[in-house]
Amino acid sequence: NAGVMQNPRHLVRRRGQEARLRCSPMKGHSHVYWYRQLPEEGLKFMVYLQKENIIDESGMPKERFSAEFPKEGPSILRIQQVVRGDSAAYFCASSPRTGGPGTEAFFGQGTRLTVV
Amino acid sequence: QQQVKQSPQSLIVQKGGISIINCAYENTAFDYFPWYQQFPGKGPALLIAIRPDVSEKKEGRFTISFNKSAKQFSLHIMDSQPGDSATYFCAANSIIQGAQKLVFGQGTRLTINP
Repeated sequence: NAGVMQNPRHLVRRRGQEARLRCSPMKGHSHVYWYRQLPEEGLKFMVYLQKENIIDESGMPKERFSAEFPKEGPSILRIQQVVRGDSAAYFCASSPRTGGPGTEAFFGQGTRLTVV
Repeated sequence: QQQVKQSPQSLIVQKGGISIINCAYENTAFDYFPWYQQFPGKGPALLIAIRPDVSEKKEGRFTISFNKSAKQFSLHIMDSQPGDSATYFCAANSIIQGAQKLVFGQGTRLTINP
């Protein structure tokens, strides 16, 4: 399956621990987006990355959250010192390098983070 | 402010009926309007999309109607089936450095009663 791969699917962390969420984009895609979905709510944009560059992080909380998309390997969303309010589903999407109007973003299955 | 407002929050339709979900946007710079379907425990999947230079697009039982002057668009599901029960998100797309950034509506939980 050449779809967007996210892991882990489920992640449980105690308050104060770090959470690392991974996303491997579809083959040939070099644009990655992270979205957060709180229970019963829509998808909120967090960050948009290209290889080795953060293009738009306007939806990312200023503290504790960071994202990267290295030259090699998956994109990582890191949440430090997690709190109960971080519990949510985190979705990654990717689109092609030559994206333009009409280029679809394909989503992964998401990582469901639970902070206990 | 990039916002997309979606209604209703939830919708119950009888099998065979027409499901209608509405969205409104503010930013006239949006240039692509996709709809996503999400089943429980799954990621959103692209259902159908429209460009603002087209007033209607139909794919099978799914139709998008687009009103550029009113800055509104809607999804119509004809002959709704129980398998259509899912959460539907409208979205609007803006282009940043050659790739898209999607802004989503709040979602509509659709239930089709058999």
